[in-house]
Amino acid sequence: NAGVTQTPKFRVLKTGQSMTLLCAQDMNHEYMYWYRQDPGMGLRLIHYSVGEGTTAKGEVPDGYNVSRLKKQNFLLGLESAAPSQTSVYFCASTSGTGAGELFFGEGSRLTVL
Amino acid sequence: GENVEQHPSTLSVQEGDSAVIKCTYSDSASNYFPWYKQELGKGPQLIIDIRSNVGEKKDQRIAVTLNKTAKHFSLHITETQPEDSAVYFCAASTRTGGSYIPTFGRGTSLIVHP
Repeated sequence: NAGVTQTPKFRVLKTGQSMTLLCAQDMNHEYMYWYRQDPGMGLRLIHYSVGEGTTAKGEVPDGYNVSRLKKQNFLLGLESAAPSQTSVYFCASTSGTGAGELFFGEGSRLTVL
Repeated sequence: GENVEQHPSTLSVQEGDSAVIKCTYSDSASNYFPWYKQELGKGPQLIIDIRSNVGEKKDQRIAVTLNKTAKHFSLHITETQPEDSAVYFCAASTRTGGSYIPTFGRGTSLIVHP
């Protein structure tokens, strides 16, 4: 009963380093999303995917790249981390058959020094 | 694009009181309005949702109302308990060209004092 799994859960980076966050879902969902959560700002959409091999920009895409090579995985990359990218990142997925429930992962807390 | 405003940002109540959180949205094409509860250190989880062809929906102590004309919807929690303490997010969404993009409010931190 895994649902949506994010790795790693915590990471500390230095400015300019790169890293990748992995999101995996076992519900055969078509749609996957990456959000960032900052105090007082709610959940802001970074990138999303409507199916394997497709990605699209959300509200705050700058400084991030994504890939969806397999249906069950959605990767979020930071090529050159900046302190402004310190945040909690959430991955979510939904079936895409109609507007419906998003299933979220437990979050990945990233600190950029 | 869609814009969702959520109020209040913080709500403090005594156990047993009712709590109401309000959201407004801008896109008249939005037709699905979920509410999520986020406990400390966890991801948000759906607690109730409503679709545009329904004005009110209730699930035990939780109810949601929708006014499409005024473009606002509200979450009502009755007989609050300490375990209701969490951050609550509203969202509004529609399907556009095959994409389903929910837009979230900024969240309400609900504190229920025993």
